[in-house]
Amino acid sequence: AQSVTQPDIHITVSEGASLELRCNYSYGATPYLFWYVQSPGQGLQLLLKYFSGDTLVQGIKGFEAEFKRSQSSFNLRKPSVHWSDAAEYFCAVDSGGGADGLTFGKGTHLIIQP
Amino acid sequence: AAGVIQSPRHLIKEKRETATLKCYPIPRHDTVYWYQQGPGQDPQFLISFYEKMQSDKGSIPDRFSAQQFSDYHSELNMSSLELGDSALYFCASTLRGTGMVSNSPLHFGNGTRLTVT
Repeated sequence: AQSVTQPDIHITVSEGASLELRCNYSYGATPYLFWYVQSPGQGLQLLLKYFSGDTLVQGIKGFEAEFKRSQSSFNLRKPSVHWSDAAEYFCAVDSGGGADGLTFGKGTHLIIQP
Repeated sequence: AAGVIQSPRHLIKEKRETATLKCYPIPRHDTVYWYQQGPGQDPQFLISFYEKMQSDKGSIPDRFSAQQFSDYHSELNMSSLELGDSALYFCASTLRGTGMVSNSPLHFGNGTRLTVT
């Protein structure tokens, strides 16, 4: 069965500093990969997705993620965080119609220090 | 540990048929959210429930209805299905408690993949 691991439950970053949120997945083939963000009191928003092709994916709000097959990773990055980036971030794997469906990681809570 | 359970995992229906999707939240979670995600699209918030009452309503079509039962499981009923309803439907649960906003993390189900032909 597929699985997603977000090893960091909480991350604290100073405003203006760079950010990397880790995501590792387990899946037999090349999965569809997603990063979502949930800001306090708001719904879920898709940041970016990887289906195929270029392994460096650009998303909204200045985020990017890189798919590394050899490491089974899909880490989310941002060069300079803003206070409004404080939120819960979820990585997800979709088997694309396969038996495992959509699997989310447990989330990483991002705290921004002034 | 128990997770959010959704059933069925896959569903194939024809146009104009009805479908019922089920979501069983993590025990003691009092809040359930439903989302619809079309291929390659943003998840669309449909509806949420808190303590068996409708809490928020998003872009849920009038053809759809949902409820949360006494055991906190939730069902999404979809009628007069259209081709455009083909999507991944996932639910999430959390423990909101008495606060206006949940500070507890969301837990997601594996989704139900609905195909309308």
